[in-house]
Amino acid sequence: DAGVTQSPTHLIKTRGQQVTLRCSPKSGHDTVSWYQQALGQGPQFIFQYYEEEERQRGNFPDRFSGHQFPNYSSELNVNALLLGDSALYLCASSFWQNNEKLFFGSGTQLSVL
Amino acid sequence: DAKTTQPTSMDCAEGRAANLPCNHSTISGNEYVYWYRQIHSQGPQYIIHGLKNNETNEMASLIITEDRKSSTLILPHATLRDTAVYYCIVRVTGTASKLTFGTGTRLQVTL
Repeated sequence: DAGVTQSPTHLIKTRGQQVTLRCSPKSGHDTVSWYQQALGQGPQFIFQYYEEEERQRGNFPDRFSGHQFPNYSSELNVNALLLGDSALYLCASSFWQNNEKLFFGSGTQLSVL
Repeated sequence: DAKTTQPTSMDCAEGRAANLPCNHSTISGNEYVYWYRQIHSQGPQYIIHGLKNNETNEMASLIITEDRKSSTLILPHATLRDTAVYYCIVRVTGTASKLTFGTGTRLQVTL
């Protein structure tokens, strides 16, 4: 039973570019959340998707957008990249009806030069 | 979600119990205490959670004070693989899965 998988593991972009990160949830999970983790900090909630809709959003600008597909997988898109967007991006999955435990992937390390 | 306070770092000898404290003095009656840990280069991992009773699972024990203003995560026999950042989080269950992480406690287990 595969856990949460994210791709790619590492990515290097330049300022102003756009990036798409991908996440496949743990088998059976229907809810996906995204977190940004800057170096030395705890993860910060970006947004959550369920039934292909954004259900909750953290304090992130509109440059951050997402999508959830019918198979529950998800994408995180970031436009007009800034140096400050360099971080580890984590995907977490859970059940919508029972979200006591979140299962996290190992993340995508994004470097913006 | 209520704010939590944890020590920045702690050390523990391998084989000894690791006791990680957390203060959450503004916790509300419907908020649970959660613990996650993050081993280097991995995503956070759920450990345990509780409301007001002490809880134990295969990974750890959670002791919550009677007034619920603080708690302690206990790893009964720490190993080198328990070296990680441990996050104490309070949140209401049954809602969206948002977790509010602080900076956590960096636990170093040594020989």
